[in-house]
Amino acid sequence: QVQLVESGGGVVQPGRSLRLSCAASGFTFSSSGMHWVRQAPGKGLEWVALIKYDGSNKYYADSVKGRFTISRDNSKNTLYLQMNSLRAADTAVYYCARDQGTRITGTIHNYMDVWGKGTTVTVSS
Amino acid sequence: DIQMTQSPSSLSASVGDRVTITCRASQSISSYLNWYQQKPGKAPNVLIYAASSLQTGVPSRFSGSGSGTDFTLTISSLQPEDFATYYCQQSYSTPPTFGQGTKVEIK
Repeated sequence: QVQLVESGGGVVQPGRSLRLSCAASGFTFSSSGMHWVRQAPGKGLEWVALIKYDGSNKYYADSVKGRFTISRDNSKNTLYLQMNSLRAADTAVYYCARDQGTRITGTIHNYMDVWGKGTTVTVSS
Repeated sequence: DIQMTQSPSSLSASVGDRVTITCRASQSISSYLNWYQQKPGKAPNVLIYAASSLQTGVPSRFSGSGSGTDFTLTISSLQPEDFATYYCQQSYSTPPTFGQGTKVEIK
């Protein structure tokens, strides 16, 4: 079945780095754009980054630009998020999600249709 | 960035009630609006995309409407499994942005 499984979370000190992974299965990963979305404890959803299906274009939230890097290895069906210079404000559950594009009356509408269960990142000294 | 504002932030309702949640965009987003449901400790799940299209497998008691800046998610007859937090999200432009969420609680 279609599945996304995140890994790599943990407790890290401020200023340190962490790399998250998201393993995809059950669909053609190399045809799908992919997102990272995070949720701080008790807070709402915050979009973090998007990478196009072939890795040609990457987009970031202002809050992580210059510190986080999204990447993918289509040969391994895996999405990554390299997080550097971590701050306490980056503490959150990090979800990967598939970007689905559906054509309706001539235009493509995008939404996140498959989500992983999330991996928890805690930035604390 | 486009700001998304949901109202109310929370509501209490009974099983069988009709529930309406509103989402307003800071500029026109046509029909590029999605709705998600999230239960505690779980990942979000898409309910409605493109403002009014029901995602496969989602019960028909969920419906969405609106275009431009004002959108509505309606649950026609609230069921016990519908107690959750609901988020709208615009896909008109990058960055995609979410509303702050509406928590639907048991009355």
